[in-house]
Amino acid sequence: QITLKESGPTLVKPTQTLTLTCTFSGFSFSNNGEGVGWIRQPPGKALEWLGLIYWNEDERYRPSLKSRLSITKDTSKNQVVLTMTNMDPVDTATYYCAHRRLFSFYDFDIWGQGTLVTVSS
Amino acid sequence: QSALTQPASVSGSPGQSITISCTGTSSDVGIYYYVSWYQQHPGTAPKLMIYDVRNRPSGVSNRFSGSKSGNTASLTISGLQAEDEADYYCSSYTSSSTLVFGGGTKLTVL
Repeated sequence: QITLKESGPTLVKPTQTLTLTCTFSGFSFSNNGEGVGWIRQPPGKALEWLGLIYWNEDERYRPSLKSRLSITKDTSKNQVVLTMTNMDPVDTATYYCAHRRLFSFYDFDIWGQGTLVTVSS
Repeated sequence: QSALTQPASVSGSPGQSITISCTGTSSDVGIYYYVSWYQQHPGTAPKLMIYDVRNRPSGVSNRFSGSKSGNTASLTISGLQAEDEADYYCSSYTSSSTLVFGGGTKLTVL
């Protein structure tokens, strides 16, 4: 059974860097084809894809946020870390990590519960 | 990277069928069969309902079906039930190797 859970600060100040950790179980980046994505959802608004990291270290990012985003993984700890620099109030959202359906392109079959991050001074 | 276009809301009575459209471009929906649909109830994480245009993950009711024609994908829910009331989002792989979501559709079961 695959599970994922996001953790990190609930409040960050403008211009600060956000670091969120996704801790998962039920799969491993040691296995070919695995991937974890990050998706966010501002309050009352639509889902927004942020990026994805694959088992082979390959990464993909939302073009408009690429300069601010970094996604890394720690295979031994079963963790994926999202880093977003220069946070702004418009980045206030629930941030989800999700398991990429094996060998799919970009659909996500298991999601974490999400974590609400508020950007405010 | 513009969001896919979905109607803001749709509604139907129990037992009826409804269809939600998802319109993209020739850089995403129009050229790939990698369209997914997600259901999201208030305060919960999205749930994958359809992938690769028309495939259902294990455990998803066969009342949910997907299709695509040109730049528009569609999700049809037949035999509408109260529990289907939720927000629905489509997504598509793009020619830039990215993912784009739709703006979401609120389904109300009357």
